[in-house]
Formats: sequence, C-alpha cells, structure tokens
Amino acid sequence: DVKVTQSSRYLVKRTGEKVFLECVQDMDHENMFWYRQDPGLGLRLIYFSYDVKMKEKGDIPEGYSVSREKKERFSLILESASTNQTSMYLCASSLRRLGGSYEQYFGPGTRLTVT
Amino acid sequence: GNSVTQMEGPVTLSEEAFLTINCTYTATGYPSLFWYVQYPGEGLQLLLKATKADDKGSNKGFEATYRKETTSFHLEKGSVQVSDSAVYFCAHSRGGAQKLVFGQGTRLTINP
Repeated sequence: DVKVTQSSRYLVKRTGEKVFLECVQDMDHENMFWYRQDPGLGLRLIYFSYDVKMKEKGDIPEGYSVSREKKERFSLILESASTNQTSMYLCASSLRRLGGSYEQYFGPGTRLTVT
Repeated sequence: GNSVTQMEGPVTLSEEAFLTINCTYTATGYPSLFWYVQYPGEGLQLLLKATKADDKGSNKGFEATYRKETTSFHLEKGSVQVSDSAVYFCAHSRGGAQKLVFGQGTRLTINP
C-alpha cells in the first residue's frame, strides 16, 4: 500500500514564525503536491513538484515556498506565518503520467493554527 | 476554465436510504474523473474512478458513471450505512497536466 506520512497532525505557531511542514512518501512517486483545505472551498493547490528540485506554483502559492531535495520528501515552508494561514494542510503523491493524471494518494493532514 | 461543482451539503440521511451526490465538471478534452472520501480526522482516500466516457467506477457499494454528454459523474449508493458518514470530493484531471481539480466537498451524515 502507498503510504504518505506528514510530520505533525496538529501544530500551533505564532504569527511571524517560520513553519516547516514535512511530507514523505514510500512508493517512489515522481509527483508530490501540497494543498490546503478550508470549509466550503475544497482543496486548493499550493505547490506541485514533478521531480527532485523541480516545482511549480499552484493556485495559491503566495506566502508559501517548497523544497524537494529527495524524491520521497516534499516540504512546505511558511516563511512568516500569518493568521490567515490557519488551515488543514494535505500532502499527496502520484505517479507521473504523460498527457493525464494518475490518482493521488494523500497523507493524514496537518492542522495548523497560527495565533 | 476547469472546475468541478458538487451538490451542496450537508446531506443527512437515515441508514439504508438511497444516496445521490451530484457532480458536474467543466474541462477541456477527456479528463479522468474521481471520487475521493475523507473520513473524520483522516486524509482523502480514492473511492472510485473512471477514465473514459460511459465507464462506471464502483467500490464499497458506491457507483458513478462518466457521462460525457452531461459532463457529470454523480455518486450513488443503494443503501447507506452509518460508517459512510464522511466528506466526499469529486475531482477531474486537469488536461495534459499532472494535477487534479477538486470540488468543494459534500459532507454526508448517516443517522442510525
């Protein structure tokens, strides 16, 4: 079974702190994704990586950056956390498919609260 | 542009009732279609998928048929259980890209 793990289930940070969210997958997937989930808005893509050191902005990248130094690990960084970044953060991975999309496999999520 | 519109929730049903959650999409080309489920406190899990027109995806008693003519992928189950209480997300692949477009989710509660 594909397993996607996230470093924390719950996190509380203060405004202005630098925050790191870590994600690891064990199925050698090329693609990895970071989403945020908010009530009534569904999932919104923050960043996407299709290979080591490669990244692409999603729909809402402002205030976030990412790092992918190894194939299995994808980090989301909040450079200076703000209260409007309080949310559930979901990591996902998938195989790379030319001309289409394979299903994505999700981690359990990190609920981040910024006070 | 690409989008997915789902039936607004929350939806509350009694056990053994028939379930339909509507989903329509806007996309170019011939996207793959997915239903994901999120149980309380967990991440999303793939429930079923369909990759071409008229395909029917099925799993755990749930079914959805890819209807290209109506751009729909409605989720159905003949007899729901309390354990089906969750949030359900419809999604489609985003053209030639590697990404998915998700609907806003529909919260389903089943009462005993």
